[in-house]
Parts: sequence; C-alpha cells; structure tokens
Amino acid sequence: DIQMTQSPSSMSASLGDRVTITCQASQDIGNNLIWFQQKPGKSPRPMIYYATNLANGVPSRFSGSRSGSDYSLTISSLESEDMADYHCLQYKQYPPTFGGGTKLELK
Amino acid sequence: EVQLQQSGAELGKPGTSVKLSCKVSGYNIRNTYMHWVNQRPGKGLEWIGRIDPANGNTIYAEKFKSKATLTADTSSNTAYMQLSQLKSDDTAIYFCASRGYSSSLFAYWGQGTLVTVSS
Repeated sequence: DIQMTQSPSSMSASLGDRVTITCQASQDIGNNLIWFQQKPGKSPRPMIYYATNLANGVPSRFSGSRSGSDYSLTISSLESEDMADYHCLQYKQYPPTFGGGTKLELK
Repeated sequence: EVQLQQSGAELGKPGTSVKLSCKVSGYNIRNTYMHWVNQRPGKGLEWIGRIDPANGNTIYAEKFKSKATLTADTSSNTAYMQLSQLKSDDTAIYFCASRGYSSSLFAYWGQGTLVTVSS
C-alpha cells in the first residue's frame, strides 16, 4: 500500500498567518491527491483536487502544490473558519490511503 | 441536489453484526462507485472499500476483507455495508462517499453513522 506521511499532526496559528500542511507519498502518485477539510462532527469536505485544483466554492486563500513526492496545502491568510482537521488522500492506486491528518487550531 | 443519507447510530454487542445504509438522491447509484470510509474516535480517516452498484463488483482494503460486506440495491438507490463479528475496535463513524454526477472523486459524503460496540 502507498503510505501518506502527513505533517504536522497538529499546529496552532494566528489569524492572518500563512499555514502549510504537507503529505509525503511513499511511491509515485502523480497528481492523484485530494485535500479534505473536516470540522468537528461533520463529514470531510474536498478542498483541493488533483493536487493543485481548487474545488468549487473553496476560498482562493487555499492552494495546493507539489514538489516531487511532497504535496502541500497552503492557507495564505488564516481565518477563524479555517480551524479544522485536514486530511490528504491518494487515489493513484488501490487501496486509496489517507494521511494521518492535521489538527489546525487557533493560537 | 445530490444527497447521501445514512442510517442512524448503531449499538452492537461484540460478536454480532450491523448493517448500515446510505440512501442516495440526486443521481442514479448505478452511474458511479460508492466508497466507504471509517474514522475511529479521535483518529484519521481509513478507506474500507468500494462497490460498483451497476454490477456488484467490490474491492476491499486488506484489513476489512473479512469484516465488511458491501452491497447495493439499485431499485431503492441505496448502498449498504454490513460489519460482522463486531469488536470494540470497530467502534467508529462510518461514512459513504461518491463522486455523484461530478467528475470529482469523493465529492459527496454521507453524514456518517456512529457504530458503538459494547456489551
């Protein structure tokens, strides 16, 4: 199975901060990666498709990038509504595998 | 509007089975795969398997091959997952998810069903 190593597992940041979360793939997954946001008691919401494409309705302060086997989700200027858990998912190969998740909290 | 409406919370005793449902509205479930994902308390997401409702073909993650059974009823536009031989470790929220009519994987999710295993 492809392992997705996500970091950090948790972080705290201030409003207006630039925040970056990373997933590293153990094998080549191309751009077959989705970033999800999940708020407490809610289902995951897709934020970024195909590593870099913003999902419908997602604010432009969110962006996705790739450098080799490292995939990043960046929030350019943190807002209070962005406090949530974030998960990456690779779907290049079965089984699809998630990263361990990142809990983003307000400092 | 696409909606995936999951059945209510379940309390199961160790060694028994539960069957969860995911009723779809807004698209025909025959058109795309239905995936199932779980989330143990305070933990991350874990892919369980997927079914092609058009023909019943299934793929499971290795650790769920003897735990989960995925089925679908195209007449009621509903997908099901049965969990067998319940153990305390199966306590989790279980989600169904699909692309619906979009081109984007995992675009639509059910609200989740909490399964609690306790004697």
